[in-house]
Amino acid sequence: AQTVTQSQPEMSVQEAETVTLSCTYDTSESDYYLFWYKQPPSRQMILVIRQEAYKQQNATENRFSVNFQKAAKSFSLKISDSQLGDAAMYFCAYTVNNNDMRFGAGTRLTVKP
Amino acid sequence: SQTIHQWPATLVQPVGSPLSLECTVEGTSNPNLYWYRQAAGRGLQLLFYSVGIGQISSEVPQNLSASRPQDRQFILSSKKLLLSDSGFYLCAWSGYEQFFGPGTRLTVL
Repeated sequence: AQTVTQSQPEMSVQEAETVTLSCTYDTSESDYYLFWYKQPPSRQMILVIRQEAYKQQNATENRFSVNFQKAAKSFSLKISDSQLGDAAMYFCAYTVNNNDMRFGAGTRLTVKP
Repeated sequence: SQTIHQWPATLVQPVGSPLSLECTVEGTSNPNLYWYRQAAGRGLQLLFYSVGIGQISSEVPQNLSASRPQDRQFILSSKKLLLSDSGFYLCAWSGYEQFFGPGTRLTVL
């Protein structure tokens, strides 16, 4: 069974600094998709970034980028120039066909002013 | 653009009472639809998904059920709620990724 592990229950970062959130996953598939979702206090799930496993290039979205290491089954999220609005729960997710999306337990990110 | 609605936003129900949570999607046709539950401080657990009208797949055996009476409507139900059914329920639809509704906070007393 596919599992997603986020080993950092909580992280904190100083405003304007950079933070990296870790995610590892277990799969025997070669084609799949990985995601990072953000859940602020409103509890709305917001897609942050998406990575296709067949792409070697790491995805980036403005201040958010990933370090995708397929062989190591690692998918970390880097947030640069952290802002107060980045404070939220962050969930790593994995899916093969979108009908079986698996989520990690989440990392709570605190941004200190 | 596509939007997804859920209601009610919050619900407090006694143990043993029935439940009906509704999710509707606008701006797309024949979407794949999903129900998730999120316990406090935890990740998301997939409960049901549907690839079309009347087609429901269950991921976790429990006292909840789901139905899809219309293309863009997905309903989560229970005949008798348990204390353990308390949580935050999220509906989602998928394109290349999953898009989530605003959620329903259910408290069973």
